[in-house]
Amino acid sequence: DVKVTQSSRYLVKRTGEKVFLECVQDMDHENMFWYRQDPGLGLRLIYFSYDVKMKEKGDIPEGYSVSREKKERFSLILESASTNQTSMYLCASSLTKGGGAPGGETQYFGPGTRLLVL
Amino acid sequence: KQEVTQIPAALSVPEGENLVLNCSFTDSAIYNLQWFRQDPGKGLTSLLLIQSSQREQTSGRLNASLDKSSGRSTLYIAASQPGDSATYLCAFHGGSQGNLIFGKGTKLSVKP
Repeated sequence: DVKVTQSSRYLVKRTGEKVFLECVQDMDHENMFWYRQDPGLGLRLIYFSYDVKMKEKGDIPEGYSVSREKKERFSLILESASTNQTSMYLCASSLTKGGGAPGGETQYFGPGTRLLVL
Repeated sequence: KQEVTQIPAALSVPEGENLVLNCSFTDSAIYNLQWFRQDPGKGLTSLLLIQSSQREQTSGRLNASLDKSSGRSTLYIAASQPGDSATYLCAFHGGSQGNLIFGKGTKLSVKP
């Protein structure tokens, strides 16, 4: 079974703090993704990565950065947290580089981190 | 840009009913679609994946279909149970990059 874990289930931070959200997958997946989920807006892609030290912007990268130093770990960084970054953050992974050949493949999600920025 | 719509936004049914959740998309150039379940405050659990060359997939009481020509997918749940209560999300792989494009979900409540 694929397992995707996230470092915290709940996190409370203050405006201006630097925040690290960690995600680890144990199935040697190539691709990793960070989404945020907000009521009425659904899930939106922040950043993704196809390989170690590689990153690509998603739909809403502003205010975020990422790091992938090891294949199994993908970190989301809020350089200076703001109240509008209060959200549920979901990490996902999938097996093959580039998401696989046309046809795609299953993405596996972690349990989520609910972040509150005060 | 691909847009994904799920109707209805919420649905309440009595236990035992068969039900259909709908998902529509604007761009037929999709690679596949994936149906997820999300329990309150939790992450997403993958239910079914339909490749673009397939028409449907089944898993237990769940059946998902894909009609690219009409831009629709449906998730059929047979003999619904209270444990099926959750939000159901559909998502499409819209390109070679592997990222998913999500609908906003249908919140299902199955009453005992």
